[in-house]
Amino acid sequence: TQLLEQSPQFLSIQEGENLTVYCNSSSVFSSLQWYRQEPGEGPVLLVTVVTGGEVKKLKRLTFQFGDARKDSSLHITAAQPGDTGLYLCAGGRGYQKVTFGTGTKLQVIP
Amino acid sequence: SAVISQKPSRDICQRGTSLTIQCQVDSQVTMMFWYRQQPGQSLTLIATANQGSEATYESGFVIDKFPISRPNLTFSTLTVSNMSPEDSSIYLCSVEGQSGSSYNEQFFGPGTRLTVL
Repeated sequence: TQLLEQSPQFLSIQEGENLTVYCNSSSVFSSLQWYRQEPGEGPVLLVTVVTGGEVKKLKRLTFQFGDARKDSSLHITAAQPGDTGLYLCAGGRGYQKVTFGTGTKLQVIP
Repeated sequence: SAVISQKPSRDICQRGTSLTIQCQVDSQVTMMFWYRQQPGQSLTLIATANQGSEATYESGFVIDKFPISRPNLTFSTLTVSNMSPEDSSIYLCSVEGQSGSSYNEQFFGPGTRLTVL
């Protein structure tokens, strides 16, 4: 069974602080996605990374894929209340089913 | 990206009854997926639905409990049968971002929040 462990599980920070969420596995993935889900909504795709060591930026969010394609991180700079939500990583291996991470619940307090 | 709608958005049901959840996509897609999610937690895949064939169920999920229909390339239904309080959850449908892509990107509906009393 491919597992994607996310840490931390919960995070409550003040507006303006920085944070990093980690997504770790013992398996190699050909691609990795990050999603954000707000209450009452489905997960929304933020980014896909496919190359080991790849770094992608989306405004204040920076995503990195590990060199060995087994792990990933999401860094948020100067967090805002609008960043509040459940963050999910998901690993794909070509045409096999996707494995979702355990989730990180982020609360940004104004 | 595909636009996906689900009906109902939420429901409260009595144990022993059944509920059918509908998922409509604004474009034709090969595969549709059904997930279950406890609030604030990760997603668990129930089954994959291809048009014209029987759905493929994951371990722990069976067709008698979660029958799925896929009558065309834009629509699917999931029925939760003979419900018990343990079935209370959020049910989500999703589709692949690009048909045939190996990137495994998915687009999700807004979910159906089910409460069984």
